[in-house]
Amino acid sequence: AQRVTQPEKLLSVFKGAPVELKCNYSYSGSPELFWYVQYSRQRLQLLLRHISRESIKGFTADLNKGETSFHLKKPFAQEEDSAMYYCALKAAGNKLTFGGGTRVLVKP
Amino acid sequence: ETGVTQSPTHLIKTRGQQVTLRCSSQSGHNTVSWYQQALGQGPQFIFQYYREEENGRGNFPPRFSGLQFPNYSSELNVNALELDDSALYLCASSSRQGMGSEAFFGQGTRLTVV
Repeated sequence: AQRVTQPEKLLSVFKGAPVELKCNYSYSGSPELFWYVQYSRQRLQLLLRHISRESIKGFTADLNKGETSFHLKKPFAQEEDSAMYYCALKAAGNKLTFGGGTRVLVKP
Repeated sequence: ETGVTQSPTHLIKTRGQQVTLRCSSQSGHNTVSWYQQALGQGPQFIFQYYREEENGRGNFPPRFSGLQFPNYSSELNVNALELDDSALYLCASSSRQGMGSEAFFGQGTRLTVV
């Protein structure tokens, strides 16, 4: 069975500081990993996925199969980054398994 | 192109009652998944429908059932409601199966069971 763990419930950083959201997963096969974001009063939306290897809104995430991690990073946090972030794993069958989420608060 | 829409946005039901939640998938999408999100937790997969057939189910009892229609819209039905069924129910649609497909989420239906 697959599992996604986000150890931090809340991350509070100052504007301009780096931010890193941790995500660890367990899955016996080859997973597809995602980060979803939910801004205040908005729907859950895709931020980025590991197969795209892209940077979205300054965020990057690298899949480390050895450490079974997919941490999300941004070197300089902005106030508009304040949101709820979910790491998710897609295994066979197209089912998404989500972590518990990390709330990011960027203080001015 | 229209996004994923869910109805109703909120509802309150009494324990033991039955409820039907609705989801219109994004234009061109043939796959719909339903998730339950309890307060303070991440979404949990309930089941998925692909071309009107159930295509995977999470760890939910049979009183959670669903349908997908020829236009790919979908319903989630919950019978014999329990207090623990109170949650945000999310619908997500995607255009294809397999690696690379992106799920687009609706705004959710907030169900309160009293």
